[in-house]
Amino acid sequence: DTGVSQNPRHKITKRGQNVTFRCDPISEHNRLYWYRQTLGQGPEFLTYFQNEAQLEKSRLLSDRFSAERPKGSFSTLEIQRTEQGDSAMYLCASSSSGRGYTFGSGTRLTVV
Amino acid sequence: QQQVKQSPQSLIVQKGGISIINCAYENTAFDYFPWYQQFPGKGPALLIAIRPDVSEKKEGRFTISFNKSAKQFSLHIMDSQPGDSATYFCAASTYSGGSNYKLTFGKGTLLTVNP
Repeated sequence: DTGVSQNPRHKITKRGQNVTFRCDPISEHNRLYWYRQTLGQGPEFLTYFQNEAQLEKSRLLSDRFSAERPKGSFSTLEIQRTEQGDSAMYLCASSSSGRGYTFGSGTRLTVV
Repeated sequence: QQQVKQSPQSLIVQKGGISIINCAYENTAFDYFPWYQQFPGKGPALLIAIRPDVSEKKEGRFTISFNKSAKQFSLHIMDSQPGDSATYFCAASTYSGGSNYKLTFGKGTLLTVNP
């Protein structure tokens, strides 16, 4: 069971540093999503890729955030100049058609 | 504006009892309503989903009831087991172009099933 793989699982960084997370979706899935989940809340949509094209970005994704999916395979989410408010669980999900997402276990970011 | 409102925030039931979680939505364009189960340290996992053309869907011990006119849907867990203890999220989505089915989640319900 390959599932959706996210690395690292945990990241502690100092305020102002840049961080990058990686997501490896299920290989046959062409759709990839990033969500952010804070404590006690449901996941919130950040951005969406179909193959290598980034087709939608949430207003939550400030200009400090950038996501890529080169060659339509794995994806990276980079946060520049991290702030304490960026502390959250960053979830990646993929799907092949329709709406049945498979989520990864997430990357928990703590900004100190 | 919270588009999907979920209640209760937490729920405690005895083993063998029925757990009921409710959600209400505002956006009438929503046309897909899944429920996700999340254990600590894990991502959400799809449990069951319904489309508005049916009023009920059952899969094993899990049932979704859907009321389109009231814009409400609920999850019923029959014969609740301690292993069901987790956080449950309702969600809703609509096609927003480019095959994007982004989900709007409720805030979650922490279910505890006592043995």
